[in-house]
Amino acid sequence: GAVVSQHPSWVICKSGTSVKIECRSLDFQATTMFWYRQFPKQSLMLMATSNEGSKATYEQGVEKDKFLINHASLTLSTLTVTSAHPEDSSFYICSARDRRDTEAFFGQGTRLTVV
Amino acid sequence: AQKVTQAQTEISVVEKEDVTLDCVYETRDTTYYLFWYKQPPSGELVFLIRRNSFDEQNEISGRYSWNFQKSTSSFNFTITASQVVDSAVYFCALAAGNKLTFGGGTRVLVKP
Repeated sequence: GAVVSQHPSWVICKSGTSVKIECRSLDFQATTMFWYRQFPKQSLMLMATSNEGSKATYEQGVEKDKFLINHASLTLSTLTVTSAHPEDSSFYICSARDRRDTEAFFGQGTRLTVV
Repeated sequence: AQKVTQAQTEISVVEKEDVTLDCVYETRDTTYYLFWYKQPPSGELVFLIRRNSFDEQNEISGRYSWNFQKSTSSFNFTITASQVVDSAVYFCALAAGNKLTFGGGTRVLVKP
């Protein structure tokens, strides 16, 4: 299947700093990318959907100024957690889909710990 | 709106027992896709199966089998002769329109 690479796989940062997470589709053009958040022992909750070249669509309750999403190319989307706080500590997973398929391929996830 | 319900939050079995995971979904779309994913402790999501709304054929892949019943909006997953390596969280998901919605997940613990 298609490969989606997410980096970093884990990151520890200080409260108040910003963290950028990258999501790359390695062997296909990802016209749509999704960002999910997963708290311990909970399900994946969709944060936002981004289409290449346009602004991301955020789910209700997700602060767009805090979770900045950029999908500037067909192979790369980034999620920046700005002014991170301990409550932002979570597992973040991206997925990517091209226009020819309904299946979305997932990255390996990023475990963010804010101390 | 679409919704996926996995009623079982945790199932514990002894190795070699069969285990069935329930999944019930809701959607107004007539065209949709259903998925099952496995999430081991390492966190990555492992794709297991995709089924479209027009294909109600049941499927078997090794020790895994799936039962899709549109009449009851269910897409259940059975692991036959479970093994310790099957211990993980399993998610059922529904793709309709541009959105993929996950169920709450079922944690499966297979004891030796």
